[in-house]
Amino acid sequence: DAMVIQNPRYQVTQFGKPVTLSCSQTLNHNVMYWYQQKSSQAPKLLFHYYDKDFNNEADTPDNFQSRRPNTSFCFLDIRSPGLGDAAMYLCATSRDPGGETQYFGPGTRLLVL
Amino acid sequence: GENVEQHPSTLSVQEGDSAVIKCTYSDSASNYFPWYKQELGKGPQLIIDIRSNVGEKKDQRIAVTLNKTAKHFSLHITETQPEDSAVYFCAASRRNGNKLVFGAGTILRVKS
Repeated sequence: DAMVIQNPRYQVTQFGKPVTLSCSQTLNHNVMYWYQQKSSQAPKLLFHYYDKDFNNEADTPDNFQSRRPNTSFCFLDIRSPGLGDAAMYLCATSRDPGGETQYFGPGTRLLVL
Repeated sequence: GENVEQHPSTLSVQEGDSAVIKCTYSDSASNYFPWYKQELGKGPQLIIDIRSNVGEKKDQRIAVTLNKTAKHFSLHITETQPEDSAVYFCAASRRNGNKLVFGAGTILRVKS
């Protein structure tokens, strides 16, 4: 089945220690998104890639970076995690941006100690 | 920018009853309105969506209605079952936009 895969499902890191979350997709979609979701809140878009074109949301902290080495993979790098970065991180894909269905992965739960 | 309001924030119904969740949007250029179901510890799952060229769409026990004039859309779940218990998010997007704007979510509890 075509799908969006996220690894790991749970990640524990230490305060200030860089961490990378990964996402892969078999849908061959052009757009890949990263969302942050805190408890009892809606997903909050951090940034997205349309092909190789990176689009950052205005309020995304510099602490968050992303890489998309090819169509199938996208990575979220948190350079210096703080306690406030503990959240669920969701990856999603869509065929094209704007008015298109987004398909979400299962998420990675990040815990910062 | 677009703003999506969702009500109610929590909804409890008896098994077999219907559930209705309502959303309003502010950007008249929005033309795509998906609904997602999110179970605890999982990613959001698309359950139904509607585009602005239709007023209603139905898929078995789930239906969505859209009123473009009033800028609101609603999710209707009939014959609710305990497995319908989850958080439901509405969202809106425009064709030439880059992102979905989500409502705050509704916690649905179906009591058996």
